[in-house]
Amino acid sequence: QVQLVQSGAEVKKPGASVKVSCKASGYSFTNYAITWVRQAPGQGLEWMGWISAHSGDPYSTQKLQGRVTMGTDTSTGTAYMELRSLTDDDTAVYYCARRRLSFSGSGSLSFFDIWGQGTMVTVSS
Amino acid sequence: DIQMTQSPSSLSASVGDRVTITCRASQSISSFLNWYQQKPGKAPKLLIYAASSLQSGVPSRFSGSGSGTDFTLTISSLQPEDFATYYCQQSYSTPLTFGPGTKVDIK
Repeated sequence: QVQLVQSGAEVKKPGASVKVSCKASGYSFTNYAITWVRQAPGQGLEWMGWISAHSGDPYSTQKLQGRVTMGTDTSTGTAYMELRSLTDDDTAVYYCARRRLSFSGSGSLSFFDIWGQGTMVTVSS
Repeated sequence: DIQMTQSPSSLSASVGDRVTITCRASQSISSFLNWYQQKPGKAPKLLIYAASSLQSGVPSRFSGSGSGTDFTLTISSLQPEDFATYYCQQSYSTPLTFGPGTKVDIK
């Protein structure tokens, strides 16, 4: 079946980096983009950006630019997200999701139809 | 950035109730609005995309409406498995933004 499986929980010290992977199966990996969303404990959802699995072109929010790298490995159907210079504020569950597009006369709308199970990243000294 | 607000922030309801959640955008987003359901410890689940299109496999008791700045998610007859937090999300412009969520719990 169509699914995204993420890597396991991580505990990091402030200033360190973390890399989360997201392995796709059950669909053609390069036909879709992968997006990343995070959720701090007890908080709402924050969109981090996305990467085209076809072209490898990434987009990340201005808030995270300079600290985040998104990439893909088309040979294994895996996307990854690396976040550097971690602080306590980066403690969160990180989700990957598949981006689909819906086309209308107004343009193309993005929505996220398949989600990974989430990866807890804890930043603590 | 487009700001999304939701009301109410939480509500208590009984099985069988009709529930309506409102989402408002800080500027017009046409119909570029999606709804997700999230249960504790689980990933979000897509319910509605493009304001009113029901995602495959989602029960028909869920419906969405609206355009411009004001949107609603309606659950026509609340079921036990519907107790969760609901988020709206705009896809009109980057950065994509989510509403703060509406928690639906048991009365």
